[in-house]
Amino acid sequence: AQSVAQPEDQVNVAEGNPLTVKCTYSVSGNPYLFWYVQYPNRGLQFLLKYITGDNLVKGSYGFEAEFNKSQTSFHLKKPSALVSDSALYFCAVRDRVSDYKLSFGAGTTVTVRA
Amino acid sequence: GAGVSQSPSNKVTEKGKDVELRCDPISGHTALYWYRQRLGQGLEFLIYFQGNSAPDKSGLPSDRFSAERTGESVSTLTIQRTQQEDSAVYLCASSRTSGPGNEQFFGPGTRLTVL
Repeated sequence: AQSVAQPEDQVNVAEGNPLTVKCTYSVSGNPYLFWYVQYPNRGLQFLLKYITGDNLVKGSYGFEAEFNKSQTSFHLKKPSALVSDSALYFCAVRDRVSDYKLSFGAGTTVTVRA
Repeated sequence: GAGVSQSPSNKVTEKGKDVELRCDPISGHTALYWYRQRLGQGLEFLIYFQGNSAPDKSGLPSDRFSAERTGESVSTLTIQRTQQEDSAVYLCASSRTSGPGNEQFFGPGTRLTVL
């Protein structure tokens, strides 16, 4: 069965500092990996995805993520965080057996202080 | 419409009552998904529709939960005889197809509170 772990419930950073949100996954075979962000009282918004190819994926709002197959990780990064990046971030994985089911992590709350 | 819409945005009901939640997917999206998000937790898959194929109901937590979709349009999620543990945000998502590379677009959710 596929699963995702987000080991940190909360991440706190100062504005302008690098932001990293960790994600590890478990699937049989090669994964499809996604990051979503959820702002208060709003639905999830897609940030980026890894399907195949370059291990470094660039997405919306200046975010990027690096796929590391040996470490089964897909950490989300932003070089310089903004206060407006404060939100709940979800990592999700989809394996190639059940093509459509997404398994989500529990989420990481990011707080960027001014 | 421009995005996935859901109604109502909030629903407060009494234990034992039935509720119906509505989802309007993005026009042209053949795949539709329902998820449940309990407070402080990730999303739980509930049900999946793809075109006219039989839906995948494997995530429905009990037979009190059911969902329908007419063609490739609106979907309704019905919870009968609601219980307090049903309190959660119910999220609907759609995607262009069910292909694994297609990201899902989420609606704002319906916050259900069962008293």
